[in-house]
Amino acid sequence: EIVMTQSPATLSVSPGERATLSCRASQSVSSNLAWYQQKPGQAPRLLIYGASTRATGIPARFSGSGSGTEFTLTISSLQSEDFAVYYCQQYNNWPFTFGGGTKVEIK
Amino acid sequence: QVQLQESGPGLVKPSQTLSLTCTVSGGSISSGSYYWSWIRQPAGKGLEWIGRIYTSGSTNYNPSLKSRVTISVDTSKNQFSLKLSSVTAADTAVYYCARFPVGPGAFDIWGQGTMVTVSS
Repeated sequence: EIVMTQSPATLSVSPGERATLSCRASQSVSSNLAWYQQKPGQAPRLLIYGASTRATGIPARFSGSGSGTEFTLTISSLQSEDFAVYYCQQYNNWPFTFGGGTKVEIK
Repeated sequence: QVQLQESGPGLVKPSQTLSLTCTVSGGSISSGSYYWSWIRQPAGKGLEWIGRIYTSGSTNYNPSLKSRVTISVDTSKNQFSLKLSSVTAADTAVYYCARFPVGPGAFDIWGQGTMVTVSS
């Protein structure tokens, strides 16, 4: 099983600032990597797939990069609605696995 | 637009079988363009993929749960289902159904989730 490790566990950011979230895979997942946003009491929402392709309706301030084992989600200018937990997920190998999440909180 | 809705008992006794159904509306489960998955999330914890099914009935399961999981599809009702046997308190979680495209993409549509508690 591929282990996905996200860092940091918590990120404190002021509105308008840039946030950079990291995700590392225990072995290469090529570009088969997705990012999700989850708010309390809600299902996750797909942000990015293929490591860097924004899902339908996702604002341009969200961007993804990386391949192989190292990936980054960048939120260029945090809006109030962006404070949430973010998960990465690999779909290169069975079983699909998720990272432990990064909570982005208001500084 | 396509929507997914989970349904089933919110309370299951230890050692019994958890049974959930996901109803797909606004689109056909038989389109052949998607895989249909179950994912769960214990309170305050991360996400665990349980397994998936294709329209043909072909399935893939998480090895950690494989011996206890069965996922099936009923195309006539536009539904797919999860059965998890011999449950324990560790199976207490919010259970989500979600779709995954055959082509490029990831879990793009999710149900709202349903809380299942395992307790006597």
